[in-house]
Amino acid sequence: EAGVAQSPRYKIIEKRQSVAFWCNPISGHATLYWYQQILGQGPKLLIQFQNNGVVDDSQLPKDRFSAERLKGVDSTLKIQPAKLEDSAVYLCASSLGSGNIQYFGAGTRLSVL
Amino acid sequence: QKEVEQNSGPLSVPEGAIASLNCTYSDRVSQSFFWYRQYSGKSPELIMSIYSNGDKEDGRFTAQLNKASQYVSLLIRDSQPSDSATYLCAVNKGRGTYKYIFGTGTRLKVLA
Repeated sequence: EAGVAQSPRYKIIEKRQSVAFWCNPISGHATLYWYQQILGQGPKLLIQFQNNGVVDDSQLPKDRFSAERLKGVDSTLKIQPAKLEDSAVYLCASSLGSGNIQYFGAGTRLSVL
Repeated sequence: QKEVEQNSGPLSVPEGAIASLNCTYSDRVSQSFFWYRQYSGKSPELIMSIYSNGDKEDGRFTAQLNKASQYVSLLIRDSQPSDSATYLCAVNKGRGTYKYIFGTGTRLKVLA
């Protein structure tokens, strides 16, 4: 069974530029999560989708971050414009449903210069 | 008070010893509890899940849950250098929100 796929693995941009990350969850998983993990900290949930609807985006900085999950499968997370403090690993995870075990992708390491 | 608290460590144990990792949580309605292992530069991988009070064993790993004390722990028996990693405690609040909250993780070093 294929795992959670994420791309790109690494991205370096300058502040005020925009960037987008892509995630393909495990087949059949209805719930998809985007996390931000800053070095030395635990993952922080940015947004949670159930199929193509948003369940929780309370910690998403909506002035610069946006996410969508069209057709309830793939998802993209966008940052526009990026700030220095956005440097982190962005992890995508999926689960069969809310409350089930989450499986993580390899993550995208973002460096904002 | 943080919703999920862990000692950041590092916790150093000699090879073959028992490593004990602890986690406390603040919300009494929390229903599900998970331990993830994260190697440096890698993504978290699930080790154990526990939902009921008591102990749950899987190989060298034992998860312990005490809902009255709002405390969950992970014991690693016969620790190996390959167990050296950061261990993340995650709590699922359930009851309609199903929101995962992660602790900051405890860094474990197993000394050969």
